[in-house]
Amino acid sequence: EPEVTQTPSHQVTQMGQEVILRCVPISNHLYFYWYRQILGQKVEFLVSFYNNEISEKSEIFDDQFSVERPDGSNFTLKIRSTKLEDSAMYFCASSEGTAKNIQYFGAGTRLSVL
Amino acid sequence: EDQVTQSPEALRLQEGESSSLNCSYTVSGLRGLFWYRQDPGKGPEFLFTLYSAGEEKEKERLKATLTKKESFLHITAPKPEDSATYLCAVQAYGGSQGNLIFGKGTKLSVKP
Repeated sequence: EPEVTQTPSHQVTQMGQEVILRCVPISNHLYFYWYRQILGQKVEFLVSFYNNEISEKSEIFDDQFSVERPDGSNFTLKIRSTKLEDSAMYFCASSEGTAKNIQYFGAGTRLSVL
Repeated sequence: EDQVTQSPEALRLQEGESSSLNCSYTVSGLRGLFWYRQDPGKGPEFLFTLYSAGEEKEKERLKATLTKKESFLHITAPKPEDSATYLCAVQAYGGSQGNLIFGKGTKLSVKP
């Protein structure tokens, strides 16, 4: 069964460092998403991406964040200068479309900022 | 503001003891309501999607229902392997390009 793959599973970084989280969406999907979940809190939407550009972003997704589809299979989330409060699980998801389409999630990357 | 509230926050059941989880939502217009299962340290795993009031979906011991204000996830004769956090999410009309709005989840524990 096709699945969304995320690497690494756990990333530890120092405050102020740049991190790149990687995702391989399901191959025939066209819409890609990043969500985050701070420990004990809700899963929160960060950004959606379609046709090589951002479709929508939340208030959380400020200038420190960027997304990219560098090739035909990968989808990345970059945090330029990490803060302690960026520590969370980051989930990538993909769907065939947007409206009424199921989003399938990866296993997540746990980001720990020290 | 679009919002999703789940109750209870935690639920402990004995194996075989049926129960229901609630998801109340407030959205400008509902495109779809989604139920996911999340195991510790894992990503949400899709269970069901419901689009209109009165709709029902079933899968093994789980049944999801939808009204204009809430959704229920009914668990019949649960087993220990059903232990997980169950997440409800809505997709709303109006401006969004498909992002999901999640509730905090209900943590279900089923004891043998």
